[in-house]
Amino acid sequence: GAVVSQHPSRVICKSGTSVKIECRSLDFQATTMFWYRQFPKQSLMLMATSNEGSKATYEQGVEKDKFLINHASLTLSTLTVTSAHPEDSSFYICSARGGKEAGELFFGEGSRLTVL
Amino acid sequence: GQNIDQPTEMTATEGAIVQINCTYQTSGFNGLFWYQQHAGEAPTFLSYNVLDGLEEKGRFSSFLSRSKGYSYLLLKELQMKDSASYLCAAMDSNYQLIWGAGTKLIIKP
Repeated sequence: GAVVSQHPSRVICKSGTSVKIECRSLDFQATTMFWYRQFPKQSLMLMATSNEGSKATYEQGVEKDKFLINHASLTLSTLTVTSAHPEDSSFYICSARGGKEAGELFFGEGSRLTVL
Repeated sequence: GQNIDQPTEMTATEGAIVQINCTYQTSGFNGLFWYQQHAGEAPTFLSYNVLDGLEEKGRFSSFLSRSKGYSYLLLKELQMKDSASYLCAAMDSNYQLIWGAGTKLIIKP
């Protein structure tokens, strides 16, 4: 199946700094990628839909100025958590549609962010 | 509103069979997905149902009843490695996936 790579897998940062997470589709082109956030023992929460060459579509309640998304190419989307705070600590996962079914998503490995 | 319900946790014995249920309410419907997620890892695709009935794929089968807004994932010949969370997700009319909170499956020897 299609491969999506996410980096870094773990990051620890100080409060107030910014962190960038990369999501790459390795063997296919992804015009659309999705960014999720997952708290312990909870389901995936869609944050935004990243569209190549255009602005991301953010879900209600997600601050677009805090979570900057850039989809500069057909194989790369980045999520930057700006001015991170401890409450931003979470598991961030990206995904892209790569299968034969419309909803078949291939997920990156996930990035665990810890803000001190 | 849109909603997915599935049990929070289930326990089963190695070698046995377990059925994980999921009910959904969405604005329109374009299919029901099951994903497996091991702790600390990203989800992986298991199955997709868009028509009523049972889809079998090895030890895993998935069933859908659109009239009842109901699906289940059936796992046979359980193995310890099947211990994971199983996420049910329904696709609405806008092709957005609505996710359930996941069912944590614990396999005991």
